[in-house]
Amino acid sequence: AQSVTQLDSQVPVFEEAPVELRCNYSSSVSVYLFWYVQYPNQGLQLLLKYLSGSTLVKGINGFEAEFNKSQTSFHLRKPSVHISDTAEYFCAVEGSNYKLTFGKGTLLTVNP
Amino acid sequence: GAVVSQHPSRVICKSGTSVKIECRSLDFQATTMFWYRQFPKQSLMLMATSNEGSKATYEQGVEKDKFLINHASLTLSTLTVTSAHPEDSSFYICSAGGGTEAFFGQGTRLTVV
Repeated sequence: AQSVTQLDSQVPVFEEAPVELRCNYSSSVSVYLFWYVQYPNQGLQLLLKYLSGSTLVKGINGFEAEFNKSQTSFHLRKPSVHISDTAEYFCAVEGSNYKLTFGKGTLLTVNP
Repeated sequence: GAVVSQHPSRVICKSGTSVKIECRSLDFQATTMFWYRQFPKQSLMLMATSNEGSKATYEQGVEKDKFLINHASLTLSTLTVTSAHPEDSSFYICSAGGGTEAFFGQGTRLTVV
């Protein structure tokens, strides 16, 4: 079975500050990991994904994430956030039959 | 990336009526689509897996007679909420393809009054 834990439900930061959104996973199948962003009343947009290879994954909008197998983590980072990064962020892991299991989400609020 | 169109984006219906939500993959064929439900400030919960030409597979606890899923073609899956009640009010999201190749629709906000 798969599970995803996002340790922070809300993360407030100031504009241009760095941010890290934490994600821990457990999976009995593959270790394909994803970060999605959701703006209010919209669907999900893929930020980045880890399938294999380099543990540092770069995504869109300046985000990156690092896969750490020993710590079963896949934390999302951005060195300098913008107001427009304010959104809900979901970490997900793929299970059997291509199903995705999502974490509960982290609301990132970027303040001026 | 691929485009998935979900329609309508918002719908308000009266209690007891049925509502159909469409999920279309616009530029690729999807043998598998997924339907999720999202409660306010919560995560996405998988409701069912929709397979083209066969019956949908429902997750535990999801009433198949209430949430009817039809995947009649490789580009269209529909979710019908039958005899809707206020507790069915939620945000419904579909994805075409799965896992590493999942593309999400824009979501449908259903309000049952």
